Amino acid sequence: NAGVTQTPKFRVLKTGQSMTLLCAQDMNHEYMYWYRQDPGMGLRLIHYSVGEGTTAKGEVPDGYNVSRLKKQNFLLGLESAAPSQTSVYFCASSYVGARYEQYFGPGTRLTVT
Amino acid sequence: RKEVEQDPGPFNVPEGATVAFNCTYSNSASQSFFWYRQDCRKEPKLLMSVYSSGNEDGRFTAQLNRASQYISLLIRDSKLSDSATYLCAPSASKIIFGSGTRLSIRP
Repeated sequence: NAGVTQTPKFRVLKTGQSMTLLCAQDMNHEYMYWYRQDPGMGLRLIHYSVGEGTTAKGEVPDGYNVSRLKKQNFLLGLESAAPSQTSVYFCASSYVGARYEQYFGPGTRLTVT
Repeated sequence: RKEVEQDPGPFNVPEGATVAFNCTYSNSASQSFFWYRQDCRKEPKLLMSVYSSGNEDGRFTAQLNRASQYISLLIRDSKLSDSATYLCAPSASKIIFGSGTRLSIRP
């Protein structure tokens, strides 16, 4: 049981490049989330999903797109990376039975130059 | 007003001291809450859940004040290993976190 995993762990992009971050969970959780965390700051919700095939915007959705084609995977896409998107990205999952207690992945450190 | 607000600190206290910090929330419909602990450059991990008026787990006590819309975290007999950032979040399908309170325990 791996819990929540994120791929890749580190990435450096140039401005304007695109990439996709993958989050996978093997706990059969309904809910999945993408957060970003900038130095010295808390977690800010980018997008979330309450089930396969559904997604919703969080606090800071601009510049990101997401997809949840399979229940266990939640993809975060950056179509045209900007330096302001340099951050640590955390994925999390939860289920209703646990009153939305979240399980986090180890994070992806992204630098956009 | 932000949905969830926390005193950013840092709180710098000596080992063995008792320390408490609050988290205020704006959504009066929130039924339960979480405190997470985050170590430097690591993912947050659940510390405590608060479903009713409060919860106690060893040296940690979380209390909920619905009338004033805040939750508190009390740490007794603090240890060096308690140094971390503490994040609070109301339970909901769309989970918004506070910005976190940094705690540093000195020898």
